[in-house]
Amino acid sequence: DTGVSQDPRHKITKRGQNVTFRCDPISEHNRLYWYRQTLGQGPEFLTYFQNEAQLEKSRLLSDRFSAERPKGSFSTLEIQRTEQGDSAMYLCASSFSLGASGRYEQYFGPGTRLTVT
Amino acid sequence: DQQVKQNSPSLSVQEGRISILNCDYTNSMFDYFLWYKKYPAEGPTFLISISSIKDKNEDGRFTVFLNKSAKHLSLHIVPSQPGDSAVYFCAAKEEGGGADGLTFGKGTHLIIQP
Repeated sequence: DTGVSQDPRHKITKRGQNVTFRCDPISEHNRLYWYRQTLGQGPEFLTYFQNEAQLEKSRLLSDRFSAERPKGSFSTLEIQRTEQGDSAMYLCASSFSLGASGRYEQYFGPGTRLTVT
Repeated sequence: DQQVKQNSPSLSVQEGRISILNCDYTNSMFDYFLWYKKYPAEGPTFLISISSIKDKNEDGRFTVFLNKSAKHLSLHIVPSQPGDSAVYFCAAKEEGGGADGLTFGKGTHLIIQP
């Protein structure tokens, strides 16, 4: 299977703990995105990378959140001092973008469901 | 402030008939639109997209129509099949040099009845 993979699929943590999620994009894709989805809502954009450069951050990405993509391949999303409001599905997506290609589809992984107790 | 709106939380359609899912947007900078399908416990799956230079795009049973003046798009599925039962999300982005993240609606739960 060469799709986007995410690990872990589920994470339960206590309030105040730090958590880290991993995303492995489709291998030939140069862009990687993080989204958050809560119940009854669509995915909300958090941040994205082109290769190893983080090019855009949403206002939803508070100071407790940090994302990295050290070698332009996999990415990690860390949440420090978790709060109950951080409970959500965290989705990773990837895409291939080459200039003004006119195609902007993003391909999503299965997500990591975070529960903060 | 919802920039992409899917006003029908759910829709029930009989198998074999046409399913029409609607989406409205308010941001005039949006000019590329996508539809995703999501099953429980899975990530969204890309279905079909359309650029604002077109008013229709077709792929098999799926057709997306775009009315720029009304800031409205719709997804037609014909004929509807049981496997089409899922949540459908409309998404939009600013093409070209605009922001790269997608803005999603809240989704419409499509139920195909036998």
